[in-house]
Amino acid sequence: AQSVTQPDIHITVSEGASLELRCNYSYGATPYLFWYVQSPGQGLQLLLKYFSGDTLVQGIKGFEAEFKRSQSSFNLRKPSVHWSDAAEYFCAVGANQGAQKLVFGQGTRLTINP
Amino acid sequence: EPEVTQTPSHQVTQMGQEVILRCVPISNHLYFYWYRQILGQKVEFLVSFYNNEISEKSEIFDDQFSVERPDGSNFTLKIRSTKLEDSAMYFCASFERSKNIQYFGAGTRLSVL
Repeated sequence: AQSVTQPDIHITVSEGASLELRCNYSYGATPYLFWYVQSPGQGLQLLLKYFSGDTLVQGIKGFEAEFKRSQSSFNLRKPSVHWSDAAEYFCAVGANQGAQKLVFGQGTRLTINP
Repeated sequence: EPEVTQTPSHQVTQMGQEVILRCVPISNHLYFYWYRQILGQKVEFLVSFYNNEISEKSEIFDDQFSVERPDGSNFTLKIRSTKLEDSAMYFCASFERSKNIQYFGAGTRLSVL
């Protein structure tokens, strides 16, 4: 069965600092991997996705993530965070068959210090 | 940009009452989903729906739950007799096949008292 672990429940960084949010997945085949962000009162917005090919994927808002098969990881990074990045971030895995359900991690709440 | 719309944003109900959560998926999408997130826990899959029938459901989705697409636009989740443990945020999603992406609504917060 698929599963996702986000080890960090809450992370605080200073504005302008770099960010890395960790995500580990368990899946028997090559997964579809996603990062979603949820701002207060908003829905889940897709930041980026990985299906195949280049293991470093670029997303919206300056985010990127790297798929590492050997480590079963898909960590999210941003070189310099902005106060508006404060939100909840969810990593998710889906079966590589398109319209299948997503399995989410616990989420990481990001707080930005001014 | 097209979006998934959910109503209401917050629903308060008494235990044992029936609730219907409503979703308007993105036009031309054919796959629809309900997920829920109990406070402090993971977002969990409930059910997927395609071609007017359930394609997959989780063990959470018991006989108290049902889904329906009553017309060409709405997609509803009904809970027949709510329990305290049904209190959660419920998310609707629809799937764009060309991009392999699920788009989520803002959610309905259900509070069962």
